[in-house]
Amino acid sequence: GAVVSQHPSWVICKSGTSVKIECRSLDFQATTMFWYRQFPKQSLMLMATSNEGSKATYEQGVEKDKFLINHASLTLSTLTVTSAHPEDSSFYICSATPQGEYSNQPQHFGDGTRLSIL
Amino acid sequence: QKEVEQNSGPLSVPEGAIASLNCTYSDRGSQSFFWYRQYSGKSPELIMFIYSNGDKEDGRFTAQLNKASQYVSLLIRDSQPSDSATYLCAPEGGNTPLVFGKGTRLSVIA
Repeated sequence: GAVVSQHPSWVICKSGTSVKIECRSLDFQATTMFWYRQFPKQSLMLMATSNEGSKATYEQGVEKDKFLINHASLTLSTLTVTSAHPEDSSFYICSATPQGEYSNQPQHFGDGTRLSIL
Repeated sequence: QKEVEQNSGPLSVPEGAIASLNCTYSDRGSQSFFWYRQYSGKSPELIMFIYSNGDKEDGRFTAQLNKASQYVSLLIRDSQPSDSATYLCAPEGGNTPLVFGKGTRLSVIA
């Protein structure tokens, strides 16, 4: 089945540090990937839609200059949290669907990245 | 704005019983529906998907869809303690972002 790999799985760093999270589709190509964030005991919230070769589409309230998304190839999207602060501590998860698949096909999730900013 | 409503629970059922999880959605145009299971601290994993009215069975799981009522449900037969998790229902998929509700927390008591 379709596998999405996310790296790193856990990050602890100091306030002010920038952190890059990678999302790779291992056995399929994806023109679109999604980035979600989940705070403890809350639901997954869509942050942005990552589009290969073009700018990401951000949800309302998500700062595009703080959460930089790059989708440089059909198998890799990266999310960079710039100048991270404690309030950015969260569980970040990406998902992707094989290229050409339509709405009746499921999205596949990475294992997530737990980010803790001290 | 697409919305998904689920009873947040916790829903407690004894081991071996049937767990019934319900979901309503706001977008009448939604065609596909996905059930994900999320263990604490983990990312969601796909359980089932359904896009036709009626029932769809896969092992101990049965998804039911009623588009006229904008209602989708998931039945888990012979519930096991390992089924204890949060269950998320989400319409659409593919290149459309999933819209999640808060999910229903299921607790299966041994």
